[in-house]
Amino acid sequence: GAGVSQTPSNKVTEKGKYVELRCDPISGHTALYWYRQSLGQGPEFLIYFQGTGAADDSGLPNDRFFAVRPEGSVSTLKIQRTERGDSAVYLCASSLTSFDEQFFGPGTRLTVL
Amino acid sequence: AQKVTQAQTEISVVEKEDVTLDCVYETRDTTYYLFWYKQPPSGELVFLIRRNSFDEQNEISGRYSWNFQKSTSSFNFTITASQVVDSAVYFCALSRGNAGNMLTFGGGTRLMVKP
Repeated sequence: GAGVSQTPSNKVTEKGKYVELRCDPISGHTALYWYRQSLGQGPEFLIYFQGTGAADDSGLPNDRFFAVRPEGSVSTLKIQRTERGDSAVYLCASSLTSFDEQFFGPGTRLTVL
Repeated sequence: AQKVTQAQTEISVVEKEDVTLDCVYETRDTTYYLFWYKQPPSGELVFLIRRNSFDEQNEISGRYSWNFQKSTSSFNFTITASQVVDSAVYFCALSRGNAGNMLTFGGGTRLMVKP
């Protein structure tokens, strides 16, 4: 079946702009995660959804970052007033239940000029 | 706090050599999970294995094997008879035993297998 998909694959924006990154989890997966991976580093957790609700958002770096999952499937990560330090690959993962292993999408490479 | 350390940032081997990637973790939990993921040049993280803290049996899957030792807080990964297609960045990760807990990743080990 189809894996986790993320759009766009690349996003270039200017400092101060607003961006939205989309994640389509594997069909039927109830848990969804967002991570951020800077160059040469391991992914870092941002937020976890169980169904429609954000069960853990402790990894969001500040209030410019927000994520939603209104119908318990697709999720959107929103970044306001982007800064150059936000440049990274944003990874989405899903799992069948919150007890299962996570499967990752290809990521969205965000570049803030 | 949880922490994963992959001391080897880069390893280079010649095809058919065996190679071991080290992973050391820190956690105060008695129940936890350990993972290995592969990130090829395409960028997508590929799940390889998950082990829980109560299962210290070594596991073998084809050319891959994993050695989990609680006494040294290590979860090492060995590739036997390496191939060029094994070239990738490999990440070790740790999660708490509770539902939905996020993964804490190590910094990764870049493996280069030369023909």
